[in-house]
Amino acid sequence: KAGVTQTPRYLIKTRGQQVTLSCSPISGHRSVSWYQQTPGQGLQFLFEYFSETQRNKGNFPGRFSGRQFSNSRSEMNVSTLELGDSALYLCASSFWGNSPLHFGNGTRLTVT
Amino acid sequence: AQRVTQPEKLLSVFKGAPVELKCNYSYSGSPELFWYVQYSRQRLQLLLRHISRESIKGFTADLNKGETSFHLKKPFAQEEDSAMYYCALSGSGAGSYQLTFGKGTKLSVIP
Repeated sequence: KAGVTQTPRYLIKTRGQQVTLSCSPISGHRSVSWYQQTPGQGLQFLFEYFSETQRNKGNFPGRFSGRQFSNSRSEMNVSTLELGDSALYLCASSFWGNSPLHFGNGTRLTVT
Repeated sequence: AQRVTQPEKLLSVFKGAPVELKCNYSYSGSPELFWYVQYSRQRLQLLLRHISRESIKGFTADLNKGETSFHLKKPFAQEEDSAMYYCALSGSGAGSYQLTFGKGTKLSVIP
């Protein structure tokens, strides 16, 4: 079974731009979660989607948004990028959302 | 608010020595606790969860609700145990759909 796939692996953007990250969950998994990982704050929850509905959202500004498609694939978007958005963004999938998470390798975003 | 604290950023032990990675949590309801591990150049993966009450790779963890702790233990450390370990908590209701992670402990097993 293929694991969680995130694309792209690396991104370099300029302040003020926007970016879209993609995540393909494990086949059969309907829940997709996103996490931001930084050296200072560690792993922080962004949001979780199940069957195209956002069920839970972390404490991030509205510049961070996401969506899930009918095939369970998910995207997250960050608008008006700031230097502090530089981080590793991890996607995770599971069957129901409260079952163990399977993580992708992440997208490394660098904002200059 | 839910919080997970891992007091040690780095823990070094000799091969064959016992290991204990500490985790304390704060949550008003009944949480579910997990340990995730990230080996070098690999993705973050589940090591164990408290409701399973199983031993994985020789590691065990017991939920102590009185002390709000979920320490990870192994009697004899192996070199392949060197990795980054994260304790995580999920709550109830809508909170069950998110994990709150500790900052992680890097375990280094010295040969």
